[in-house]
Amino acid sequence: QVQLQESGPGLVKPSQTLSLTCIVSDGSVSTGGNYWSWIRQHPGKGLEWMGFIYYSGSTYYNPSLKSRLTISVDTSKNQFSLRLTSVTAADTAIYYCAKAAGGYCSGGICQENWFDPWGQGTLVTVSS
Amino acid sequence: DIQVTQSPSSLSASVGDRVTITCRASQSISNYLNWYQQKPGKAPNLLIYGASSLQSGVPSRFSGSGSGTDFTLTISSLRPEDFATYYCQQSYTTPYTFGQGTKLEIK
Repeated sequence: QVQLQESGPGLVKPSQTLSLTCIVSDGSVSTGGNYWSWIRQHPGKGLEWMGFIYYSGSTYYNPSLKSRLTISVDTSKNQFSLRLTSVTAADTAIYYCAKAAGGYCSGGICQENWFDPWGQGTLVTVSS
Repeated sequence: DIQVTQSPSSLSASVGDRVTITCRASQSISNYLNWYQQKPGKAPNLLIYGASSLQSGVPSRFSGSGSGTDFTLTISSLRPEDFATYYCQQSYTTPYTFGQGTKLEIK
């Protein structure tokens, strides 16, 4: 079973860029059919799908974040990353990486994905 | 975006009880509905995908049903380790969206 582990700074200043990496082990990001995802959870709140990437580099973003979000993949390092620009306190959350399997994407729209497994999550606080 | 609404938002039950949690989508999503369990301080864990398919390793006391707009997660006989928060997620189309969660507490 593939395992995922998030890494990155736990504190980011307002207006700066939040950068996180997800290291994939016991599996390959280059395996077809899987989409490598970022999901966040505001403190004490529900879950928000941010976006995901295929090993080919194709990306799919939540429109609510699209203007600030970039997800990239490094197949040589077997990891994928998130960059979120111009952060505010509203971006304070636990950030999870996860593998999305089971579905497919076509014409910019994806369907039928479920998230399994997830990384343990990392809390990122936006504060000066 | 497709809105997904769970009910109830919280629920008190006892070990051995049968519990049902409901998820309603704002439009028909066929059977593209997944369920997760989250315990405090942990990441969510996939229980059910495709509305009714049990993820490998998940106990058979968990079951899912429904299609269209209305879905249910049932735990047939609660065990102490089942007290957690449960989320549904629609996978009919991106952006994928989650329900607000149902917190299952011990009575």
